[in-house]
Amino acid sequence: AQKITQTQPGMFVQEKEAVTLDCTYDTSDQSYGLFWYKQPSSGEMIFLIYQGSYDEQNATEGRYSLNFQKARKSANLVISASQLGDSAMYFCAMRSRNGANSKLTFGKGITLSVRP
Amino acid sequence: KAGVTQTPRYLIKTRGQQVTLSCSPISGHRSVSWYQQTPGQGLQFLFEYFSETQRNKGNFPGRFSGRQFSNSRSEMNVSTLELGDSALYLCASSLGDHLGRYEQFFGPGTRLTVL
Repeated sequence: AQKITQTQPGMFVQEKEAVTLDCTYDTSDQSYGLFWYKQPSSGEMIFLIYQGSYDEQNATEGRYSLNFQKARKSANLVISASQLGDSAMYFCAMRSRNGANSKLTFGKGITLSVRP
Repeated sequence: KAGVTQTPRYLIKTRGQQVTLSCSPISGHRSVSWYQQTPGQGLQFLFEYFSETQRNKGNFPGRFSGRQFSNSRSEMNVSTLELGDSALYLCASSLGDHLGRYEQFFGPGTRLTVL
């Protein structure tokens, strides 16, 4: 079974500063993918970034980067130069790449508030 | 490219009724997954359809069912609604390819309220 753990309480960050959102995972699969999604108050889940378990480099997408530490089973999201529009819920998720198990397993999410 | 669309966006039903939600995936995507989001349980996987076949199923009762059409559009049906079915129902589409990134792109969701 796969499990995603996001234990940080609501996070606050000053505009233009960087923030790290923590995510740890557990799986017995060797090949898997890790994802981060953003969910604003409107409800839509917005894909941010992906990291494959065999990717040697940490993923980056614009202001988002993923700090992937495979041995520690952590996949933290780093948002640089925070903007007011970054205020939202952030979900870490994973998916096995073995067989036909295609479902995403999500963590409970972290609320991020960006202060002006 | 148009994103994932879901209809209706909001729905109010009463206990015992049934409801059908619709999802149109991104053009070219063959996989459609459904998720239920509630404050208490978070995001939970309902099922996935690929090429008109259910490929995976979550731990939900048989009142929850779905189907996918030849154009990849999908519908989800909930029969005999219960108060606990009140939730945001999210649909996600992906290429469905087990190689590559297969990231899922979500629609805006249908917010179902059961009274």
